[in-house]
Amino acid sequence: DIVLTQTPLYLSVTPGQPASISCKSSQSLLYSDGKTNLYWYLQKPGQSPQLLIYEVSSRFYGVPDRFTGSGSGTDFTLKISRVEADDVGVYYCMQSRHLLTFGPGTKVDIK
Amino acid sequence: QAQLVQAGAEVKKPGASVKVSCKASGYTFTSYYMHWVRQVPGQGLEWMGIIDPNGGRATYAQNFQGRVTMTRDTSTSTVYMELTSLRSEDTAVYYCARNDYGGNWFPDSWGQGTLVTVSS
Repeated sequence: DIVLTQTPLYLSVTPGQPASISCKSSQSLLYSDGKTNLYWYLQKPGQSPQLLIYEVSSRFYGVPDRFTGSGSGTDFTLKISRVEADDVGVYYCMQSRHLLTFGPGTKVDIK
Repeated sequence: QAQLVQAGAEVKKPGASVKVSCKASGYTFTSYYMHWVRQVPGQGLEWMGIIDPNGGRATYAQNFQGRVTMTRDTSTSTVYMELTSLRSEDTAVYYCARNDYGGNWFPDSWGQGTLVTVSS
């Protein structure tokens, strides 16, 4: 099974400041079609998860450009350029290179 | 606009089974695979499996093999997830989530979740 680890597990950010979350995979997530099967979701308090980033770096519909995904192979990063109050919640990376697994989540709140 | 509406909360006794429904609307039901993901209270997301509503074929996560069955009813655009031999550790919110249209597996739209409580 592919295991995803996220760091940090908790992040407290001042509004307007940047934030960065790392996701590392136990195996390469590059697929034979050239795509890399790494995704980012945000679960806001009391809500269902929502897709932010697909295939490492593509923003889903309506996702602000403050969110940027990057990385390759086994190392990936989600960056928020300027955190807003609406960004609080738990961020999960997810892989689908082999079935699906989620990272443990990174809880982000506002200072 | 895809909409996934799940059934209300359930309370079950240990050893029983639960069948959770997820009714889809706003898109062609048979064109998009559907995932089931669960979340134990206060914990992370755990993928349970995926079903192709077109043919009904399902793939299950190893952790649930033998205990989970995913089915669909194309006449009502509804998918179901049945989990048997329930134990207290199965107390969780169960989400259905539509897969993206392309070939890769990743949910792009989620139901509101169904809380299943297993308690004697």
